[in-house]
Amino acid sequence: DAGVIQSPRHEVTEMGQEVTLRCKPISGHNSLFWYRQTMMRGLELLIYFNNNVPIDDSGMPEDRFSAKMPNASFSTLKIQPSEPRDSAVYFCASRGLGGGYTFGSGTRLTVV
Amino acid sequence: AQTVTQSQPEMSVQEAETVTLSCTYDTSESDYYLFWYKQPPSRQMILVIRQEAYKQQNATENRFSVNFQKAAKSFSLKISDSQLGDAAMYFCAYRSAVYGNKLVFGAGTILRVKS
Repeated sequence: DAGVIQSPRHEVTEMGQEVTLRCKPISGHNSLFWYRQTMMRGLELLIYFNNNVPIDDSGMPEDRFSAKMPNASFSTLKIQPSEPRDSAVYFCASRGLGGGYTFGSGTRLTVV
Repeated sequence: AQTVTQSQPEMSVQEAETVTLSCTYDTSESDYYLFWYKQPPSRQMILVIRQEAYKQQNATENRFSVNFQKAAKSFSLKISDSQLGDAAMYFCAYRSAVYGNKLVFGAGTILRVKS
């Protein structure tokens, strides 16, 4: 199993541009999570899905952030327009029923 | 809402010595899970150890063990015979057994290992 796959690993973009982060969970896992890690705020849950349905999006900072999970094998986190304060490492994680969490390697986003 | 507190931003240990990382949490629930994750410079989040709240016995994984004090809501991690490869950021995390599926993390503790 290749684990949770995130792309890109690094992203540098200019303020105001749209950014899309991608995640492929482990096959058979029915829960998917997006976390953001910053020095100031640590690891924050942005949103999570069960069976492709968003369950808790209370951590999404504002309307500039959106997340989708069109099928069991793919999810995106989009920021439009991006701002310098969005610079962070974004992690995707997945979990199967009764199982543990598997994290991807993260996407380091830098907005200049 | 549940909160997790790690009061040690940074800790140092000599190679081969023992170090304990502290974690406290706040919850009104009786059934939950606690975790310690390791994040080396590679950024990968690695599960170190897990504890079920209903189990009185402290979890152990080789050189890693926990001291789980449910009444005190304390969950410390002890690393014995520290190795250079143990140097990393360590996160304590909480998950409700009943409500929701999400992990709530503490702020993390940076562990430095001296040779």
